[in-house]
Amino acid sequence: SQTIHQWPATLVQPVGSPLSLECTVEGTSNPNLYWYRQAAGRGLQLLFYSVGIGQISSEVPQNLSASRPQDRQFILSSKKLLLSDSGFYLCAWRLAGFYNEQFFGPGTRLTVL
Amino acid sequence: AQTVTQSQPEMSVQEAETVTLSCTYDTSENNYYLFWYKQPPSRQMILVIRQEAYKQQNATENRFSVNFQKAAKSFSLKISDSQLGDTAMYFCAFTGTSGTYKYIFGTGTRLKVLA
Repeated sequence: SQTIHQWPATLVQPVGSPLSLECTVEGTSNPNLYWYRQAAGRGLQLLFYSVGIGQISSEVPQNLSASRPQDRQFILSSKKLLLSDSGFYLCAWRLAGFYNEQFFGPGTRLTVL
Repeated sequence: AQTVTQSQPEMSVQEAETVTLSCTYDTSENNYYLFWYKQPPSRQMILVIRQEAYKQQNATENRFSVNFQKAAKSFSLKISDSQLGDTAMYFCAFTGTSGTYKYIFGTGTRLKVLA
């Protein structure tokens, strides 16, 4: 069966510091991968998605970036965090070529101070 | 552009009662998929139910069922015999089939089940 991992679960970072959040999927090949951000009590904002290694599509221009160095690994990064980057970050995957549901990781709660 | 609207920010229901959460969407596509996700206090997003637009029959999963009205672009979720564990944020979501990779989510409905 497929599983999705995210780490860290919780992160507190100072403004201006770098960021690296990691997401990995097990049990499937060539998944479509997604990063979302959820502000407190709000809906999901799509940040990036990837349909293959090295292929990243950005939905929101900001100081975040994403990379997919391996088939089942998706990384969200920032060189310098802003206060507005605080939120709950969710990674998700779906089977490539299928318009079915997404499966979500457990999320990372990021607080920028 | 495709949109998903959930007009009920918060709802409450007594334990064992039935509640219906509303969702409307807008799209020009003829075939697409609709989903309801549950996000409990743990914040793990869990798929509750999905509906394929070309299927006439409404989807059901145990106590959860949908009322899919394609012409009206409506996709409501009915929870029967509500349980305390149903307390969560519920999100309606849409994805098209014309080569898109994106999912459009509503703003969510916070459901509280009262003992």
